[in-house]
Amino acid sequence: VKLQQWGAGLLKPSETLSLTCAVYGSSFNNYYWSWIRQPPGKGLEWVGEVNYDGSTNYNPSLKSRVTISLDTSKNQFSLKLSSVTAADTAVYFCARGRNSKTLWGQGTLVTVSS
Amino acid sequence: QSVLTQPPSVSAAPGQEVTISCSGNTSNIGRNYVSWYQQFPGTAPRLLIYDNLQRPSGIPDRFSGSKSGTSATLGITGLQTGDEADYYCASWDNSLTAILFGGGTKLTVL
Repeated sequence: VKLQQWGAGLLKPSETLSLTCAVYGSSFNNYYWSWIRQPPGKGLEWVGEVNYDGSTNYNPSLKSRVTISLDTSKNQFSLKLSSVTAADTAVYFCARGRNSKTLWGQGTLVTVSS
Repeated sequence: QSVLTQPPSVSAAPGQEVTISCSGNTSNIGRNYVSWYQQFPGTAPRLLIYDNLQRPSGIPDRFSGSKSGTSATLGITGLQTGDEADYYCASWDNSLTAILFGGGTKLTVL
């Protein structure tokens, strides 16, 4: 059972961050699927989650710019963050679960720079 | 600034015991489960404790969790140099409808 994530690692300000997380060996059912980020040298910040039924919850500070979605046909879920700035530079992790995130992706460093 | 408050750092000698606190309020820890994560530099976090005090399989019983009111505590006994890492608490917040992470605590095993 594992999560494997990918996406563009270098963006310019105002572009849209797009990451995908593939789920291997686990059903989508009965789980929340989450994105968490960690700016360089700083702590963890929850970005948001999508439930297996497609419902979502987002970090209030990012809500206007975030979309998390499921593609059950491909066993994947995705993160889109629009209008990025340097403050969005971070390692982004995908994870399974809400209160107990038992499975994590390897992390993707996304750098926003002009 | 995180809504869940942790000490920035703690330290203890090998073989000793250490506790890490996580303070919240009635919207989060006071009404919801707490989980704890361990993170080594350059790696993804690992779940240590969930539902306040449960350990996933494979986590040694040197790690323990507890909760009282609006605070939670992670305990580590028999400290090893390999326990040196950052530790984070997390809990759902009913008011924000969001998961909150604590600011993290760096454990040094002297």
